[in-house]
Amino acid sequence: AQSVTQLDSQVPVFEEAPVELRCNYSSSVSVYLFWYVQYPNQGLQLLLKYLSGSTLVKGINGFEAEFNKSQTSFHLRKPSVHISDTAEYFCAVRGYSSASKIIFGSGTRLSIRP
Amino acid sequence: DVKVTQSSRYLVKRTGEKVFLECVQDMDHENMFWYRQDPGLGLRLIYFSYDVKMKEKGDIPEGYSVSREKKERFSLILESASTNQTSMYLCASSRSGVTNVLTFGAGSRLTVL
Repeated sequence: AQSVTQLDSQVPVFEEAPVELRCNYSSSVSVYLFWYVQYPNQGLQLLLKYLSGSTLVKGINGFEAEFNKSQTSFHLRKPSVHISDTAEYFCAVRGYSSASKIIFGSGTRLSIRP
Repeated sequence: DVKVTQSSRYLVKRTGEKVFLECVQDMDHENMFWYRQDPGLGLRLIYFSYDVKMKEKGDIPEGYSVSREKKERFSLILESASTNQTSMYLCASSRSGVTNVLTFGAGSRLTVL
């Protein structure tokens, strides 16, 4: 079984500042990793995903994440945030097995201050 | 533009009422899911379906049932709504295969009085 921990429930940052949203996972098997974003009053949409290959994954809207197998982490970063990045961000993990279900973290609410 | 449509964005129901939440996808996806979203708890899987007339329990199925009579439609049913079922409900769909991502609807916010 897998689990996901997002340690920060809320992250306030100033506009144009860099941000890192932390995600750690636990799994006894290899996993696929995802970040989803939920803008206010909307459903979730995919930001980026790690399936294999390069551990640095680039997504939409200037976000990127780095898969670190030794630290079982998949932190999300952006070098300079905008007001429009205000949203809730969810890390998710899924095992390789077809019987595996996707497991979501509890979410991190990113608030941008002008 | 492909999408997942949830028929009701906001519903207010009374305790004991039967509630239907409808979800339709136009992407010919095999898989459909119902999640419940609560602050601080993230998304919790209620039920999912890999095929028509097929359903599997998720992590919190108690108090819910589902129906999938057609490939594009997946309904969530609360047989007798209770106040602790007040929540945001999200429907999602995906193609079969573990690497395929979920496409979500905008959500249905249910309040049970």
